[in-house]
Amino acid sequence: QKEVEQDPGPLSVPEGAIVSLNCTYSNSAFQYFMWYRQYSRKGPELLMYTYSSGNKEDGRFTAQVDKSSKYISLFIRDSQPSDSATYLCAMSANSGGSNYKLTFGKGTLLTVNP
Amino acid sequence: DSGVTQTPKHLITATGQRVTLRCSPRSGDLSVYWYQQSLDQGLQFLIQYYNGEERAKGNILERFSAQQFPDLHSELNLSSLELGDSALYFCASSVATAVGSPLHFGNGTRLTVT
Repeated sequence: QKEVEQDPGPLSVPEGAIVSLNCTYSNSAFQYFMWYRQYSRKGPELLMYTYSSGNKEDGRFTAQVDKSSKYISLFIRDSQPSDSATYLCAMSANSGGSNYKLTFGKGTLLTVNP
Repeated sequence: DSGVTQTPKHLITATGQRVTLRCSPRSGDLSVYWYQQSLDQGLQFLIQYYNGEERAKGNILERFSAQQFPDLHSELNLSSLELGDSALYFCASSVATAVGSPLHFGNGTRLTVT
C-alpha cells in the first residue's frame, strides 16, 4: 500500500463549480499536510498548509484534515479557468529542520472550463 | 518565480550516458531537495542536503549521486542512464529552520533517454 493515495483524475468542471480534491494516507505519523498546485511545465507551488486535524481557509480555498480517517481534502469555491492545474497533496511527519521530508500524492489534473 | 534555478531545462541523451543537473537554491535557503517526477510514480523524493551535508535519502538509485557545494548550489549526477530514467527532475529549497517552511520548487529539468 502506498503511503499517500490520490485519484489522478482527470477532473473537468464548469467555471464557478465547487471542486473537491482528496487524498488518503496510511502513515499515522504524518502531522503536517500541504496542497501544492502545479501548472504545466512548472514546478509545484505551495497552496495550503495545515497542521494536524481541522480546517483552514484561504480565499476560495479550504483545506480539511481528518486524522482519524487518514483523509485530507481541498475544496475550491467558485472555480476559475486559471485554477486549471495539477493539485498534489503532500505530507510530513515533522515540521521542519534539517531532515524535513515531504511525501507527495501523484496529483489530480483539474480542468475548469469557461 | 520561486527563486530556484535549474539548468538545463531539457536534456536528451542516450542510454549508458552520464548527465549532470544543476540547481541554485533561493537566496538564504540552506536545504536542497531533489525529486523525480514521472507519470506513473508521481513526485518521488531522491535526496536532501542541508548546508553541504547529506541529510536524508529517499528512492535514489546507486547510479545517481548528488552533492551540495559551499555556495549551496547542488548537482545531481545520473550515470549509466536507462530508458526508465526519463522523467522530470525537480530541485527544491527551503530555509528548513522555521516550522512549516515550504519547499520552493524550480521548474525542473526534463530528461529524455533514448
